[in-house]
Amino acid sequence: DAKTTQPPSMDCAEGRAANLPCNHSTISGNEYVYWYRQIHSQGPQYIIHGLKNNETNEMASLIITEDRKSSTLILPHATLRDTAVYYCIVRPSILTGANSKLTFGKGITLSVRP
Amino acid sequence: EAGVTQFPSHSVIEKGQTVTLRCDPISGHDNLYWYRRVMGKEIKFLLHFVKESKQDESGMPNNRFLAERTGGTYSTLKVQPAELEDSGVYFCASSLGGLAKETQYFGPGTRLLVL
Repeated sequence: DAKTTQPPSMDCAEGRAANLPCNHSTISGNEYVYWYRQIHSQGPQYIIHGLKNNETNEMASLIITEDRKSSTLILPHATLRDTAVYYCIVRPSILTGANSKLTFGKGITLSVRP
Repeated sequence: EAGVTQFPSHSVIEKGQTVTLRCDPISGHDNLYWYRRVMGKEIKFLLHFVKESKQDESGMPNNRFLAERTGGTYSTLKVQPAELEDSGVYFCASSLGGLAKETQYFGPGTRLLVL
């Protein structure tokens, strides 16, 4: 699976947009970009995923560059409850027959300050 | 819709004892996964069931770990005998399966402490 690189940490002010970057320069054409987060002492929570088009749901937006080598997760109005470790994960489509396991890295710790 | 549930939430046992963790996936989900995070490390994949069959158990650390999913519903993960290094948080996840339905949803985890 392609490796992802994330900064170790970042912070943002409550109510402002949080833009979390991820590099995945070795991503291949059939690999999706997934974002999960883990709030302290809870299980990982699915946020969003995409292949090449930008995606938006009730939690966040995912912006994938045209060359697909990087992406940004956007939390439009961060709240204190968004403080968590955010994981950017690249995983092949099951249509390729590849293993569907998720490979977690260290993630980025987002701290939302009042 | 109920999410993935895990039992117990916490377990404290002594080295050499046996512990069995249980995971109930989201109803109707064919795929069930076990992951764990040991202290200071990243979350690591253990194994993957498709219904009652083991699809991939490449992440199982050794033969002290036994996972089952009888009937393709809930799954158990038994550690026998437990060692100190087995301490950590064990997560279960499930996904519906099928084309483009591979998003995994995680349970809250079981925190295992081996003394």
